Amino acid sequence: QQQVKQSPQSLIVQKGGISIINCAYENTAFDYFPWYQQFPGKGPALLIAIRPDVSEKKEGRFTISFNKSAKQFSLHIMDSQPGDSATYFCAARPREGGATNKLIFGTGTLLAVQP
Amino acid sequence: KAGVTQTPRYLIKTRGQQVTLSCSPISGHRSVSWYQQTPGQGLQFLFEYFSETQRNKGNFPGRFSGRQFSNSRSEMNVSTLELGDSALYLCASSLDRGSHEQYFGPGTRLTVT
Repeated sequence: QQQVKQSPQSLIVQKGGISIINCAYENTAFDYFPWYQQFPGKGPALLIAIRPDVSEKKEGRFTISFNKSAKQFSLHIMDSQPGDSATYFCAARPREGGATNKLIFGTGTLLAVQP
Repeated sequence: KAGVTQTPRYLIKTRGQQVTLSCSPISGHRSVSWYQQTPGQGLQFLFEYFSETQRNKGNFPGRFSGRQFSNSRSEMNVSTLELGDSALYLCASSLDRGSHEQYFGPGTRLTVT
């Protein structure tokens, strides 16, 4: 069964600090790993994504680190701000026969950035 | 460019009834996927449509169905509603199958009483 495990469930960070959220997957049949940010009452919004042939990708304050051998990937939010307070989801797209947009999501991390 | 539109935003139904939810993708996007979000199960994939054909289906009972129209708009239907169907139903649109970027709508909050 394809599964993505996410930790921690919740995270409190001081303003200006680094927020780190981790995900792990259980098989290698994934070809795309996005991270989504969701605010209350809104749909998830794509933050940043990575493919398994890349070990790191940075966009502004957000960085994904990918460890293919360990089957793990993580999101780092540098200089965390109160406006970053939201729920973050990692996801993985199965490499299935034919193209697909299906995503397997992690369980989410509720981030609170304290001023 | 307008984002993904979902209607209605909120819905209250009674057990045993059926419900139809609608999704209008971003203009030019041809792929639509549906997800169910609950506190207990998180975000779970329901189905994916492209060119009016269901391309992929998640592990949900047959009470959950959907379709896509020639203008890429999509609907999903849940028949014989159960209390456990209470959830936020999210629609995501993509330019094409296998596109890297999926854009989610605000969702339809369904409450079954």
